[in-house]
Formats: sequence, C-alpha cells, structure tokens
Amino acid sequence: GAGVSQSPSNKVTEKGKDVELRCDPISGHTALYWYRQSLGQGLEFLIYFQGNSAPDKSGLPSDRFSAERTGGSVSTLTIQRTQQEDSAVYLCASSLGVQKTQYFGPGTRLLVL
Amino acid sequence: GNSVTQMEGPVTLSEEAFLTINCTYTATGYPSLFWYVQYPGEGLQLLLKATKADDKGSNKGFEATYRKETTSFHLEKGSVQVSDSAVYFCALSGQGGSEKLVFGKGTKLTVNP
Repeated sequence: GAGVSQSPSNKVTEKGKDVELRCDPISGHTALYWYRQSLGQGLEFLIYFQGNSAPDKSGLPSDRFSAERTGGSVSTLTIQRTQQEDSAVYLCASSLGVQKTQYFGPGTRLLVL
Repeated sequence: GNSVTQMEGPVTLSEEAFLTINCTYTATGYPSLFWYVQYPGEGLQLLLKATKADDKGSNKGFEATYRKETTSFHLEKGSVQVSDSAVYFCALSGQGGSEKLVFGKGTKLTVNP
C-alpha cells in the first residue's frame, strides 16, 4: 500500500517568508509525528498528533512553528518568518498508535536563503 | 531526559567484513529500542526493533540485542555487502506519552568491494 507522502519534496524560500509543509500519513494511522533533520542537530522531534489533537508539542523550537491536523489524516507544518537556521529536512512519520512502529516519509528539504 | 549515544562515524569496511555499531541509551523505565537506516537519497526505514530486555531484533542479516544491564543495543552483521552502505540511526521511544523517537547522531557506513 501507499506509504507516508510529503510535499513539496524541496522548497527554497527567502528569509522572512512563511512556508507550509504537508504530510499525508498511511491510511488508518492515528498517530502522526514531525521531526527535523539538520547537520548540526541530527534528528529532532518537533510535534506529535493523536487524531487531530497534539498532546506533545515540546519539540517546536519557537512560536514561529505551528502544525495542525485535520480529519485525523493530513497534517501541515507551518513556519512563519523563516530564518536561515530553519534550513533542514523536515520528516513526517505515522503509526497505528502509540507504541507502534513509526513509518517515515521521504521528507521535505527546506532551504532558507 | 532520554538520550541515545552511538559511535561516531564514518565507518569504512571491506565487503564480507564484520560490522558492529555501538549504541547505548539513558532512559527511565523500559523503552523500546530501534535501529533505522537511511540509504543514499532515500527516507528513514526501520531496520529492526526490540521492545523488552533480552529481546533480539533481526532483519536482513543485522541483529541487535536489548541489554538492560549495560543499557546497550549494539548493531551487528556478520558479513556486510556494498548495498549496506548507508547511515544507521539508533533510537528509543519511552513508555507512555507520545512515544516520540529520540535518535542518536547517526553512523555513516561505507562498504567497499
């Protein structure tokens, strides 16, 4: 079946612009996670959704970052007023629920000029 | 908080050599442990996992045993192939809560023919 998909695959933006990153989880997966992979920081957790609610937002680095999930499916990660340090690969993962294996999408590579 | 420490790379081996990548963790309770692999140009894939002490995860000739007494989950393979060249990440997820993954820094493996 279809895996986790993310769009766009690459995004180049100018400092100060807003960007939206999209994640389509595997059908039926109730848990959805966002991570960030950068050269300096490795792989970092950002936020977790169970259904449409986000019980754990502890990894969001600043209030410029937000995310939502609608219909228990698609999720959007929004970064406002992008900074150069936001440049990274943003990864989405989904799972059948807590304590279940997480399956990762291919990521969105974000470059802030 | 929870953390994972894995051996720094890069690691370069000849085909058919024995591979060990060390991984130790710090966590409260009884975490689940994982090895993820990222092949060049691809997304993160689950390689193997273990959910309780003394469990052995195995896949594609790779093995790792959950050792609670040494808080370790070392990855091993008896005979590596060129196609095993990738970045390997050790990770844990804690009990309860969001089950977010905490990753090590990653170890890049290159296998030469």
